[in-house]
Amino acid sequence: AQSVTQPDIHITVSEGASLELRCNYSYGATPYLFWYVQSPGQGLQLLLKYFSGDTLVQGIKGFEAEFKRSQSSFNLRKPSVHWSDAAEYFCAVGATGGSYIPTFGRGTSLIVHP
Amino acid sequence: EPEVTQTPSHQVTQMGQEVILRCVPISNHLYFYWYRQILGQKVEFLVSFYNNEISEKSEIFDDQFSVERPDGSNFTLKIRSTKLEDSAMYFCASSGGVNSPLHFGNGTRLTVT
Repeated sequence: AQSVTQPDIHITVSEGASLELRCNYSYGATPYLFWYVQSPGQGLQLLLKYFSGDTLVQGIKGFEAEFKRSQSSFNLRKPSVHWSDAAEYFCAVGATGGSYIPTFGRGTSLIVHP
Repeated sequence: EPEVTQTPSHQVTQMGQEVILRCVPISNHLYFYWYRQILGQKVEFLVSFYNNEISEKSEIFDDQFSVERPDGSNFTLKIRSTKLEDSAMYFCASSGGVNSPLHFGNGTRLTVT
């Protein structure tokens, strides 16, 4: 079965600084990969997804993520963080063979200082 | 943009009571899901539903849980006899295809006292 690790529970950055949130997955083949964001009191909103093809994926709100097979990683990046980006970020992996249903990591809480 | 809606946003119930959490998926979606998130923990898969039957369920989804699509628009999760450990945020999701991303509702926070 697939699994996801988000090693950072909290990340604090200053507004305008760059951001990288880490995600490592465990799966025997090429997975489907997702990043979701959860603002307080809101549901999970899809930021971006990787199914196949170009390993650098562009998403909404200026986010991007890069699939690195050799490192089993799918890190989320943003060049300049805005205060409104403060939220909980979840990485998820779906299996390409068998169950597609995404398995989520425990999330990383992003705190943005003015 | 169409969205998944969940009601109520917060439900408080006493241990041993039955609760029904309601969801209206996106209208042209065919696959439906329930996830839950205990405070401070992972978002965990409970069950998926397609073509009026459960397609997959996790170990969490025991006999106390059931799902139903009673009228072609609603998708419900019933917990027959709630326990304290059922307190969590419950998320409904839907997708248009088996390889399509899930669209989530805002969740129902269930508090069992």
